[in-house]
Amino acid sequence: AQKITQTQPGMFVQEKEAVTLDCTYDTSDPSYGLFWYKQPSSGEMIFLIYQGSYDQQNATEGRYSLNFQKARKSANLVISASQLGDSAMYFCAMRGYTGANSKLTFGKGITLSVRP
Amino acid sequence: DTAVSQTPKYLVTQMGNDKSIKCEQNLGHDTMYWYKQDSKKFLKIMFSYNNKELIINETVPNRFSPKSPDKAHLNLHINSLELGDSAVYFCASSPYRGVTETQYFGPGTRLLVL
Repeated sequence: AQKITQTQPGMFVQEKEAVTLDCTYDTSDPSYGLFWYKQPSSGEMIFLIYQGSYDQQNATEGRYSLNFQKARKSANLVISASQLGDSAMYFCAMRGYTGANSKLTFGKGITLSVRP
Repeated sequence: DTAVSQTPKYLVTQMGNDKSIKCEQNLGHDTMYWYKQDSKKFLKIMFSYNNKELIINETVPNRFSPKSPDKAHLNLHINSLELGDSAVYFCASSPYRGVTETQYFGPGTRLLVL
C-alpha cells in the first residue's frame, strides 16, 4: 500500500521569497514516481514536477525544485521567488508499480498563500 | 486545443436521477482515469482504462459505470444519484500506465446533488 502524508497547516510566504512544502511517503514498491500538482482556486489540477525513485539528481522545473531524500522518504517541493499567482493548494502524489497496474495516490494537500 | 476536456463543467441535479460526464483527450494517450475530489479536497482514483480495457476499478458503488468507446474517450455514467455523490470529478490521461508517466487532468466537473 502507498501512503502520502502532507501535514503542514496552511502556509504563508512573502512575495519573492522561497517556500518549502513538505511531503513524506511510504511504499514497499522498489520503483515509484513522485509528482506535485497545483490546484488554484479555479479548480484545475496543474502538473508541476516529477521525480523518479531512481533518479540521481533532484528534479527542477523553472522555479520549482524537488528536494528528494530517498532514505527519509521525503519529496519536498521548493518554490523559489514566490509570486502572487502561486497561491493555491498543492498536492503531492505517488505512483508505484504493483503488478500490471499502477495507481496515483494523493496526499491531502497544502494551502499556500503568497502575501504581497 | 484543450488537452483533456470534460463536459459538462457544472452539473446540478436531483437525487435519484441518472447523469453522465464525458471526457475526451487529444494527447494520443493510451490510459485514462476518473478521480473524485470530495468536499475536503481529497482526491481518490475511481477507474482507469488502458486502450479501452478497464485496468483499475476501486471500491466504487456499482451505480458508477465507466465506458470507453475508444482510447480518446472515457465517460462516466452515474445511476440513482445520491447526496454523497456531490463532488468534483476529474478525468485524466497519461501516455501509458507506467510509474514514470505523468497524468494530465481535465478541468473537472462539479456535481451537486440536491
